[in-house]
Amino acid sequence: RKEVEQDPGPFNVPEGATVAFNCTYSNSASQSFFWYRQDCRKEPKLLMSVYSSGNEDGRFTAQLNRASQYISLLIRDSKLSDSATYLCVVNPGNQFYFGTGTSLTVIP
Amino acid sequence: GAVVSQHPSWVICKSGTSVKIECRSLDFQATTMFWYRQFPKQSLMLMATSNEGSKATYEQGVEKDKFLINHASLTLSTLTVTSAHPEDSSFYICSASKGGVGFEQFFGPGTRLTVL
Repeated sequence: RKEVEQDPGPFNVPEGATVAFNCTYSNSASQSFFWYRQDCRKEPKLLMSVYSSGNEDGRFTAQLNRASQYISLLIRDSKLSDSATYLCVVNPGNQFYFGTGTSLTVIP
Repeated sequence: GAVVSQHPSWVICKSGTSVKIECRSLDFQATTMFWYRQFPKQSLMLMATSNEGSKATYEQGVEKDKFLINHASLTLSTLTVTSAHPEDSSFYICSASKGGVGFEQFFGPGTRLTVL
């Protein structure tokens, strides 16, 4: 079983839509969780860390569900500039594991 | 901020040659550096984790004799692809962490390697 499973998409949504991505992880001992954004042919950039209580940064909300072992990312009021691949990252303690990434295209 | 540079950004080489890629943390000391490769339309695959002054820990399936990693200082790690072959063509990305494995990683801009 993969350490991290992520729906690759693609997600094609109209501007202004709300879109949510989920990512499941297999190691219950995982402590740190992140969402990264990667644009085509560029390096990943941290979008936000995911805290146990959930956290929000503008239009972006990240949540962690330890019982079901998944993290989620919600994007409200999608912008064209949100088009990218979103990677979830899980750290069970001594390694980082990346999901395969979810491709998002926001359509005018 | 935390800036990580990578050099070169793009390299083309003949099959059989060796290529060295440098990863530098410019404004912080990196306790741990990571090396990834990414094939088109695929996710990042961790190749190895290195801590300054010690041997790198390689992921299963990654040949340590082919991908030589040196982490000589807290700001520099190098990856040498030895005797490169066309199947080694990929996007190689390094990242650095200020506080070790459980902390945020800052990524370099990547090196695109093409082996002819």
